[in-house]
Amino acid sequence: GAGVSQTPSNKVTEKGKYVELRCDPISGHTALYWYRQSLGQGPEFLIYFQGTGAADDSGLPNDRFFAVRPEGSVSTLKIQRTERGDSAVYLCASSHSWFRREGRGCQETQYFGPGTRLLVL
Amino acid sequence: TQLLEQSPQFLSIQEGENLTVYCNSSSVFSSLQWYRQEPGEGPVLLVTVVTGGEVKKLKRLTFQFGDARKDSSLHITAAQPGDTGLYLCAGAQRDGSARQLTFGSGTQLTVLP
Repeated sequence: GAGVSQTPSNKVTEKGKYVELRCDPISGHTALYWYRQSLGQGPEFLIYFQGTGAADDSGLPNDRFFAVRPEGSVSTLKIQRTERGDSAVYLCASSHSWFRREGRGCQETQYFGPGTRLLVL
Repeated sequence: TQLLEQSPQFLSIQEGENLTVYCNSSSVFSSLQWYRQEPGEGPVLLVTVVTGGEVKKLKRLTFQFGDARKDSSLHITAAQPGDTGLYLCAGAQRDGSARQLTFGSGTQLTVLP
């Protein structure tokens, strides 16, 4: 079946501009995650959605970053007044619902999309 | 700030050699995952280890979770060029309240034919 898709695959913008990055999760996955991966680093968590609501946005670096998932499926990551330091690969992942089992949290497998490569000039 | 440290950062070996990649932390994780990422793609899950001391094998890959659940290793036997890629470890927090994964900085493996 179809995996996680992200558009655009590449985005070049100028400092100060606004950008939107789109993520289409695997059908039926209620959990959706955004990560940012800088060159030579592992992905860093940005925000997590369970359904339509942002259950954890503790990874968003500042108020220029915002994400929505209005219908509980497609999500859009929005970056205002882009800065050169925002240049990175933005990864989206989806999974079935996170749930508790035996009194502990259980991490469901996250399936990653190919990412959007953002370059801010 | 990354809580997981991976070593080595870069590794270039000849086909047929063995190698070990390490993932260390001062934090305790409820589970730890290993991913492989190829250029232009997202990370792909290889294995999840949950129990301290657990060992899992996936063909030529052997994964071990430390007894204290703070560290892990990945051993590859008789490496092949197809094993080339970025290997990432990622931990889930012990209290289960955090849904996000904490990733290490990765080990870039190159296997030369």
